[in-house]
Amino acid sequence: QQPVQSPQAVILREGEDAVINCSSSKALYSVHWYRQKHGEAPVFLMILLKGGEQKGHEKISASFNEKKQQSSLYLTASQLSYSGTYFCGTDKPSNDYKLSFGAGTTVTVRA
Amino acid sequence: EAQVTQNPRYLITVTGKKLTVTCSQNMNHEYMSWYRQDPGLGLRQIYYSMNVEVTDKGDVPEGYKVSRKEKRNFPLILESPSPNQTSLYFCASGSGELFFGEGSRLTVL
Repeated sequence: QQPVQSPQAVILREGEDAVINCSSSKALYSVHWYRQKHGEAPVFLMILLKGGEQKGHEKISASFNEKKQQSSLYLTASQLSYSGTYFCGTDKPSNDYKLSFGAGTTVTVRA
Repeated sequence: EAQVTQNPRYLITVTGKKLTVTCSQNMNHEYMSWYRQDPGLGLRQIYYSMNVEVTDKGDVPEGYKVSRKEKRNFPLILESPSPNQTSLYFCASGSGELFFGEGSRLTVL
């Protein structure tokens, strides 16, 4: 079952911050974040494991709230290169790697 | 160079004509997976494989078949394609981090 992402889209000016949320109706083992630029394949950003620490990639960080079955991706001081569609992926405690992705959040950063 | 290679990259076919999309990885990954991407629906998992001869259904397996006879290859088979299988398909492999192929855009008329 696909996780739910919000918002669907966000427009930022360079230097602004944004938060993308990812939630699941089922217990989670891990949350994965990917970014896809237009016309390209998705690219890995980070994985957050149950009980693990908050992760970071450049000025992009994420948190994982196991009890709420939610993860949030934080874009800090956004750059033009942050534009793209962000996907969260979740798998279940059985960890058979049945990784389901959300519908994506399109981020547009303008100068 | 670490790569996931898909072929063909673009294909236009007609309803009912069997086709295979190949996927090959050079990273010795045990895990491989197929996704389809449609506007507004994100990436939906079709099938995945945890190792040779071990495959399982994802969220949208209907109308697709897969096989995993070798570790490096994971072909996606459409036995009788229909227009609702028109989509952008991605193959991925990994161990934690997933590496995606460049995508195969399939149109079924």
